[in-house]
Amino acid sequence: DAGVTQSPTHLIKTRGQQVTLRCSPKSGHDTVSWYQQALGQGPQFIFQYYEEEERQRGNFPDRFSGHQFPNYSSELNVNALLLGDSALYLCASSLGAEQYFGPGTRLTVT
Amino acid sequence: EDQVTQSPEALRLQEGESSSLNCSYTVSGLRGLFWYRQDPGKGPEFLFTLYSAGEEKEKERLKATLTKKESFLHITAPKPEDSATYLCAAGGATNKLIFGTGTLLAVQP
Repeated sequence: DAGVTQSPTHLIKTRGQQVTLRCSPKSGHDTVSWYQQALGQGPQFIFQYYEEEERQRGNFPDRFSGHQFPNYSSELNVNALLLGDSALYLCASSLGAEQYFGPGTRLTVT
Repeated sequence: EDQVTQSPEALRLQEGESSSLNCSYTVSGLRGLFWYRQDPGKGPEFLFTLYSAGEEKEKERLKATLTKKESFLHITAPKPEDSATYLCAAGGATNKLIFGTGTLLAVQP
């Protein structure tokens, strides 16, 4: 049974550019959440998608947007990248309360 | 405001030296307390969920317990392969997880 997968593994972008990160949930899971983890910190909640709708959002600006597809996979889009957006971006899928994380995408903004 | 605090920030143990990690939380309508293990550069790996005060869960050398204000992760006779960052997260009335900053555990042979 495949777990949560994310692509790409690593990404280097320049300030002002836009980026799209992708996530495929664990088989049978219908909810996808996205988190940002800065070095030495715990993950910070960005938003959660269920039934193709954004169900909950954390304290992140509108530059961060997302989408969920009918097959439950999801994308995270970040516009107008800032140096401070450099972090590990984590996707988690769930069916109930327990969230299972993917390996993450390391984004570096230069 | 919902908050999760972990202590200590870092812990160095000798192989076989048991200890405990602490997670204190202030969350409205706690729906679950979660423990994860994270290796460098990787995503968090799910360990335990605790739902009510007094509940305990065990897995190999790890045991998690929950009170109304705190959770503890007890590590019995740790091995070097237990070295990792241990994250605690609380699920409240909303659907998001609120994480602490983690405890970096190093177990020396």
